[in-house]
Amino acid sequence: QKEVEQNSGPLSVPEGAIASLNCTYSDRGSQSFFWYRQYSGKSPELIMFIYSNGDKEDGRFTAQLNKASQYVSLLIRDSQPSDSATYLCAVEGGKLIFGQGTELSVKP
Amino acid sequence: EAQVTQNPRYLITVTGKKLTVTCSQNMNHEYMSWYRQDPGLGLRQIYYSMNVEVTDKGDVPEGYKVSRKEKRNFPLILESPSPNQTSLYFCASSLQLLWEQYFGPGTRLTVT
Repeated sequence: QKEVEQNSGPLSVPEGAIASLNCTYSDRGSQSFFWYRQYSGKSPELIMFIYSNGDKEDGRFTAQLNKASQYVSLLIRDSQPSDSATYLCAVEGGKLIFGQGTELSVKP
Repeated sequence: EAQVTQNPRYLITVTGKKLTVTCSQNMNHEYMSWYRQDPGLGLRQIYYSMNVEVTDKGDVPEGYKVSRKEKRNFPLILESPSPNQTSLYFCASSLQLLWEQYFGPGTRLTVT
């Protein structure tokens, strides 16, 4: 059974801090990795994807991928209260497999 | 507006009463799927479809049926719902399998 693991949280950070969200996966053959954000009561929406080892930056968001260690992370710089949501990691393993999500709370 | 629609958004039903949750997308996407979301378990795939008349089981297909007779529609059918199917259901579509998934607004189902 291919697995994707995330800390369920909640992860609480003060406004302006860096939030670090982590995800590990079991399938060494996985090639594509996604981060979705889900606000309470809403549907998930894609915020980042990464295919290659290293960092990928988009505004305040940075996705980091380390295939050798089988983890992918999401950094949110200058966290804002509007970033408070559940963040879902999704990994390609023949199909898309989602982690259970990490709840992030950014305190003003 | 590009979107995935689901109906109904909320449904309370009784054990054994057949129901259908509709899903429709207007983006001409080939790939569609159904997920259920339960606390602590994340999104689990129920069924997916690569194209018209092509469907396959996901991780938790028991108790569910799907059909894909038209590209835009992918209904989820519960022939005999049971309380353990109480969940939040999402339909999603994408241009191809591993491209960005566009999710519908969700259907909250309660089976008593």
